Amino acid sequence: AQSVTQLDSQVPVFEEAPVELRCNYSSSVSVYLFWYVQYPNQGLQLLLKYLSGSTLVESINGFEAEFNKSQTSFHLRKPSVHISDTAEYFCAVSELGNTGFQKLVFGTGTRLLVSP
Amino acid sequence: NAGVTQTPKFQVLKTGQSMTLQCAQDMNHNSMYWYRQDPGMGLRLIYYSASEGTTDKGEVPNGYNVSRLNKREFSLRLESAAPSQTSVYFCASSLRLAGVPYEQYFGPGTRLTVT
Repeated sequence: AQSVTQLDSQVPVFEEAPVELRCNYSSSVSVYLFWYVQYPNQGLQLLLKYLSGSTLVESINGFEAEFNKSQTSFHLRKPSVHISDTAEYFCAVSELGNTGFQKLVFGTGTRLLVSP
Repeated sequence: NAGVTQTPKFQVLKTGQSMTLQCAQDMNHNSMYWYRQDPGMGLRLIYYSASEGTTDKGEVPNGYNVSRLNKREFSLRLESAAPSQTSVYFCASSLRLAGVPYEQYFGPGTRLTVT
């Protein structure tokens, strides 16, 4: 079975500083990876995804993540964070179930706290 | 489009009571999911429905039942609530095409407390 590890439960950072949220996954033949963001009292929203092709993927609000097969990682980065980036971030990996259905397995989440 | 809607938003139950959480999507998605979110544990899949007419157990199905009423609606039932089921419940939906994991769209959640 697939698994996802997010080692940092909380990352405090000052506004305009760079940030990296770490994600490691268990290996598989085919890997699809996702980052979701959850703002306070809301559901999850897709931030970015890696399905195939370029290993560097970007979101519309300045986040990027790089798929590193040799290190089984998919770390999320932003060069300069805003107060509005304060949220919980979840890394997820797809898992091929017994019925051939792709399910998502989520990490435990990293809370990003941006202060002025 | 409303996306994924869930009712109710909040609920307090006594141990042993039953209730049904409702979920509906208007995106013509064929797959739907129920998750629970607990502090420090991320999201755990309770049940899912790959397509209309099918349901399967996820990681933590004990104490729950589901019904895929039609393509739009997927409900989660707690027959006899227990304090361990205090959690935030999220419904999600996605397309399903040729085994490719399309993104899941989430509802706003139901915060359930069992006393």
